[in-house]
Amino acid sequence: NAGVTQTPKFQVLKTGQSMTLQCAQDMNHEYMSWYRQDPGMGLRLIHYSVGAGITDQGEVPNGYNVSRSTTEDFPLRLLSAAPSQTSVYFCASRAGVVQPQHFGDGTRLSIL
Amino acid sequence: KQEVTQIPAALSVPEGENLVLNCSFTDSAIYNLQWFRQDPGKGLTSLLLIQSSQREQTSGRLNASLDKSSGRSTLYIAASQPGDSATYLCAPGPAGDYKLSFGAGTTVTVRA
Repeated sequence: NAGVTQTPKFQVLKTGQSMTLQCAQDMNHEYMSWYRQDPGMGLRLIHYSVGAGITDQGEVPNGYNVSRSTTEDFPLRLLSAAPSQTSVYFCASRAGVVQPQHFGDGTRLSIL
Repeated sequence: KQEVTQIPAALSVPEGENLVLNCSFTDSAIYNLQWFRQDPGKGLTSLLLIQSSQREQTSGRLNASLDKSSGRSTLYIAASQPGDSATYLCAPGPAGDYKLSFGAGTTVTVRA
C-alpha cells in the first residue's frame, strides 16, 4: 500500500517556467489537498478537492492551478514560476472529516 | 480564521525524560484534532487523532488529551528516546470541513 505518492522529489526551475507536481493516492480517499511549507510560516493550504471534478482555493492559491479528473490523482500546476514559490510542497489525502490525514513525502522546489 | 499556537517552539531533554507538548487553538468548533510528527526532510506522519467527543487518545508511549472548550490539546511522550527527536505539529479539524489548520510545531531534541 503506497499511500500518497509525490513526484518529483526535487526540482529546480528558472523564473517563468511552468511545471506540474504530481500527487497520487491509492486509498480511494475523496479529499485531497496541497500545502506549501516555508520556514517560519508553517503549512499553508494552496488548493483542495472534495472529490473528482470538484476543486476549491485554499489560503494561498495565486500562481497555482489544480484539477481532479480521477479520485486517485491531484496534480498541482505552476503556471509561471516565481522565486517566491520556492518551497516544499506537500500533498495530503483523507477519507472523511473524522478520519486522519495522510501526507506524501514532499517535493522540494527551487526557483532561480 | 483558526489560529493555532504551539508552545514551546523547541525543547531539548535528556533521554528518559517525559515530554509535554502544548497546542492551543482559537475556534473551539472542531470535529477532531490530529497530532503529526515530521522528521527533517520528510513528510508528516499522523500520530494520533482525537475526536471532539473524546478526552484522551493513547498509542504506545504517546498520549494526547483534548479540552475542546478551552481550546487546548497536550501531547505527552513517556520515557523519551533519541528516536523521538522530530518536529511535532497539531492540527484542529473544523466542524463539517475537511480543511486543517496547522501550528508551527515544536521541535524536540532528545539527548542520549
